[in-house]
Amino acid sequence: QSALTQPASVSGSPGQSITISCTGTSSDVGVYNYVSWYQQHPGKAPKLMIYEVSNRPSGVSNRFSGSKSGNTASLTISGLQAEDEADYYCSSYTSSITLFVLFGGGTKLTVL
Amino acid sequence: EVQLVESGGGLVQPGGSLRLSCVASGFTVSSNSMSWVRQSPGKGLEWVSVIYSDGSTYYADSVKGRFTISRDNSKNTLYLQMHSLSTEDTAVYYCARLHAGRFYFDYWGQGILVTVSS
Repeated sequence: QSALTQPASVSGSPGQSITISCTGTSSDVGVYNYVSWYQQHPGKAPKLMIYEVSNRPSGVSNRFSGSKSGNTASLTISGLQAEDEADYYCSSYTSSITLFVLFGGGTKLTVL
Repeated sequence: EVQLVESGGGLVQPGGSLRLSCVASGFTVSSNSMSWVRQSPGKGLEWVSVIYSDGSTYYADSVKGRFTISRDNSKNTLYLQMHSLSTEDTAVYYCARLHAGRFYFDYWGQGILVTVSS
């Protein structure tokens, strides 16, 4: 089964807002509210930023928000800061019997 | 404080075997569902295996029949036994905890590099 589809890169200036999309199918993103987002800085482990589509773990800035429409989930970062520059991965539970969760290919966010 | 610390990685020849360990602290491995996720150099994340709190296990097609996930409750440690390794298994391997048995990972280890090369 293919990974979820994310844009390879997005960019924005400090203070601006950006949105990263994550497109799946009716076997994953489209039917389950089990979409999560992870931030990964170079050489570091992924960090949970959003779970179950739109929930933020304790300690994650409210500048990060998530949503979903149909087969596409989105991560929005408002008030961009230099420290937001990182790779972002979406993930979704899948009903495929051979997979547990699918990850997106990752999006490199550059803060200009 | 929750911590996950992986070990056991390194260089192995194609066809070889390796066992990864992930020592947990701050919570009980056996009461949680745990997973291994890997990341090939310069690539994205790939789910590898999960062990639920009830002991049931599942694997990605790419590793099924070659990898085995297990845990040692007395050592509060998660394992990944890997056999018949190929160059395609070269990656940083992360252990991660699933939050309350749901489908997202709330804590990750620092990762351990496995290099399969002759």
